[in-house]
Amino acid sequence: EAGVAQSPRYKIIEKRQSVAFWCNPISGHATLYWYQQILGQGPKLLIQFQNNGVVDDSQLPKDRFSAERLKGVDSTLKIQPAKLEDSAVYLCASSLDVRTEAFFGQGTRLTVV
Amino acid sequence: QKEVEQNSGPLSVPEGAIASLNCTYSDRVSQSFFWYRQYSGKSPELIMSIYSNGDKEDGRFTAQLNKASQYVSLLIRDSQPSDSATYLCAVSRGNQFYFGTGTSLTVIP
Repeated sequence: EAGVAQSPRYKIIEKRQSVAFWCNPISGHATLYWYQQILGQGPKLLIQFQNNGVVDDSQLPKDRFSAERLKGVDSTLKIQPAKLEDSAVYLCASSLDVRTEAFFGQGTRLTVV
Repeated sequence: QKEVEQNSGPLSVPEGAIASLNCTYSDRVSQSFFWYRQYSGKSPELIMSIYSNGDKEDGRFTAQLNKASQYVSLLIRDSQPSDSATYLCAVSRGNQFYFGTGTSLTVIP
């Protein structure tokens, strides 16, 4: 069974530029998560989708971050404009549903300079 | 109060010893509990899931859940240097999934 796919693996951008990350979850997984993980900290939930509906986006900085889940499968996370403090690893995870274990992609390491 | 709390460590144990990692959660209605391992520079990988009170064993790992006291623990027997990582506790409640900040474990050869 293929795992969660994310791209790109690494991205370096200048502040105020925009960037987008892509995630393809495990086939059949209804729940998709985007997490931000800053070095030395635990993952922080940015947004959670159930199929193509948003369940929780309470910690998503909506003035600069946006996310969508196309047809309940792939998802993109966008930052525009980026700030220095957005430098982090962005992790995508998926699960059959919210009560079951989530599986993570390899993450995208973003550096904003 | 945080949804999930863990001692950040670092926790150091000698090779071959038992490592004990603890996690407490704030909401009694939490339903599902998970332990993830995260190596430096890597993404979290699932070690164990536990859904009911008691112990669940998988190889060298044992998860223990006590819903009355609202804690879940992970025991690693015969610790190996390759077990050195950050261990994340996660809890599912309703439609939401919460992570702790992780405990850093170092196994000393």
